Amino acid sequence: GQNIDQPTEMTATEGAIVQINCTYQTSGFNGLFWYQQHAGEAPTFLSYNVLDGLEEKGRFSSFLSRSKGYSYLLLKELQMKDSASYLCAVRGISGAGSYQLTFGKGTKLSVIP
Amino acid sequence: DAMVIQNPRYQVTQFGKPVTLSCSQTLNHNVMYWYQQKSSQAPKLLFHYYDKDFNNEADTPDNFQSRRPNTSFCFLDIRSPGLGDAAMYLCATSRERQETQYFGPGTRLLVL
Repeated sequence: GQNIDQPTEMTATEGAIVQINCTYQTSGFNGLFWYQQHAGEAPTFLSYNVLDGLEEKGRFSSFLSRSKGYSYLLLKELQMKDSASYLCAVRGISGAGSYQLTFGKGTKLSVIP
Repeated sequence: DAMVIQNPRYQVTQFGKPVTLSCSQTLNHNVMYWYQQKSSQAPKLLFHYYDKDFNNEADTPDNFQSRRPNTSFCFLDIRSPGLGDAAMYLCATSRERQETQYFGPGTRLLVL
């Protein structure tokens, strides 16, 4: 089975940096994804890590350590529009032997002035 | 623009009255997925199609069925909606199973 943990809520100040952590346990790890989801909307893809290390994409960076079952999403120069839920999702092998993406419950980030 | 489209965005149905949600994609992706997401919870995979090959998750209730008549379209049928089926239903696609999934805007289902 797969288990994903991430904090339920976080608050940060506009212009600051915030790090959202995700720990996971999975069978047959095959990649970790971060999605952003605004209230009432669909998740949108932010980043993908399959090898250890840091992936940078503009104001967003994602880090992965496979040996520790750990990832983080780093958001720099926070803007009010970054207020959203951030979902960590892990791709592993399901009981049926096919790839399966399992989502965490998401971290609700509130950016305050 | 290539995209994933879901209709309607909001659907109201009555307890026990069958309802169908639709999803279409212009990405020409092989895989289409249906997720259920309840408030403040993670999206939960109901089933997916790889081309015409249907894959049901073990814990998906029999009340939920799906059809994929062609590459572009996929439907979610809820045969007898209960109050507990009120949720956001998300359609997603990926080129292959091991590739990134892209989501449609979702259909929010309300059961009265």
